[in-house]
Amino acid sequence: NAGVTQTPKFQVLKTGQSMTLQCAQDMNHEYMSWYRQDPGMGLRLIHYSVGAGITDQGEVPNGYNVSRSTTEDFPLRLLSAAPSQTSVYFCASSSPTSGDNEQFFGPGTRLTVL
Amino acid sequence: AQSVTQPDIHITVSEGASLELRCNYSYGATPYLFWYVQSPGQGLQLLLKYFSGDTLVQGIKGFEAEFKRSQSSFNLRKPSVHWSDAAEYFCAVGAINDYKLSFGAGTTVTVRA
Repeated sequence: NAGVTQTPKFQVLKTGQSMTLQCAQDMNHEYMSWYRQDPGMGLRLIHYSVGAGITDQGEVPNGYNVSRSTTEDFPLRLLSAAPSQTSVYFCASSSPTSGDNEQFFGPGTRLTVL
Repeated sequence: AQSVTQPDIHITVSEGASLELRCNYSYGATPYLFWYVQSPGQGLQLLLKYFSGDTLVQGIKGFEAEFKRSQSSFNLRKPSVHWSDAAEYFCAVGAINDYKLSFGAGTTVTVRA
């Protein structure tokens, strides 16, 4: 099992550019989520999905879009990047059958918006 | 809604000394509690978790944590710190049937020789 994979590892964008952060998991987990990590703020939930075709907003959704067409993939889209979106982004997955909400994290994508 | 407070932003400890990281949570029912560790430039690795049963939980790398409902705390401990324990540590809380986690701001641990 590869677990949770994210691409790219690093990305530099200019203000106004768009891009998609990729996330995939091979554990057949129903639940997937995106977090951003900023210094002194821990991880904040951006969007999450409880299954294919179902997504919802987290704590900081503005400026981000998601979709969940398959169980395995959960891409995060930045339509018009802003410097405030400079952050490290983590994707995570979990399964309700685990019974305890444990989330498995990807290695992260470090994004810089100039 | 649940929330987590990690009162210590940064802790410095000597190698071989004991370590305790504090975590206080806010949640109306029995929480699911987690400690994750993040080494520099890496993702998050689960150290241990609590969701029921024995309130003293053993984890990987020699860490343990104790759930104290009366104090709304879930402090992480290690009896003897190794240089490789230098990292950032996050406490997180979740709820039954809700797969979202709320994270604390993190505690950075520096280990001095």
